Amino acid sequence: EAGVAQSPRYKIIEKRQSVAFWCNPISGHATLYWYQQILGQGPKLLIQFQNNGVVDDSQLPKDRFSAERLKGVDSTLKIQPAKLEDSAVYLCASSLARGAYEQYFGPGTRLTVT
Amino acid sequence: KNEVEQSPQNLTAQEGEFITINCSYSVGISALHWLQQHPGGGIVSLFMLSSGKKKHGRLIATINIQEKHSSLHITASHPRDSAVYICAVRKNNAGNMLTFGGGTRLMVKP
Repeated sequence: EAGVAQSPRYKIIEKRQSVAFWCNPISGHATLYWYQQILGQGPKLLIQFQNNGVVDDSQLPKDRFSAERLKGVDSTLKIQPAKLEDSAVYLCASSLARGAYEQYFGPGTRLTVT
Repeated sequence: KNEVEQSPQNLTAQEGEFITINCSYSVGISALHWLQQHPGGGIVSLFMLSSGKKKHGRLIATINIQEKHSSLHITASHPRDSAVYICAVRKNNAGNMLTFGGGTRLMVKP
């Protein structure tokens, strides 16, 4: 079974530039999560999708971050414009459904904003 | 105060040593996860617990619901065990959302 795929693995941009990350969850997984992990800290949930609908985006900085999962499969997370404090690893995870199901994580995208 | 606290934050051990990482939480939970994160960012789920004890190879995870405490043990540690170990809880009535601890950075020296 293929795992959660993310691209790119690494990205370096200057502040005020835009960047987009892509995630393809495990086939058949209805629930998809985007996390932000700042160096030395645990992951923080940014947004949770159930199929193509948003379940929770309470911690997403909506003035600069956006995410979509139009067809209920893969998802993109965008930052526009980026700030220095956005430097982090962005992790995508998926689970079968919203209940007591295990989350499977992708390898992450390491973003450096200079 | 964070809802999920881990200790120690950093741990250095010699190969072969028995290692214990602790996790305490202050909220009602339906499950607790132990995750492993290697350099490069990828996270692997080790255990999902709601009671008692689970064992997988050299790894053992225990949870005491009454005391709101869990431990992850590594027996006969090896340099390849070097990673960040993260405790995460699924709070009651929070669906499948996880609340994460800050992680324990483990280095096992040969």
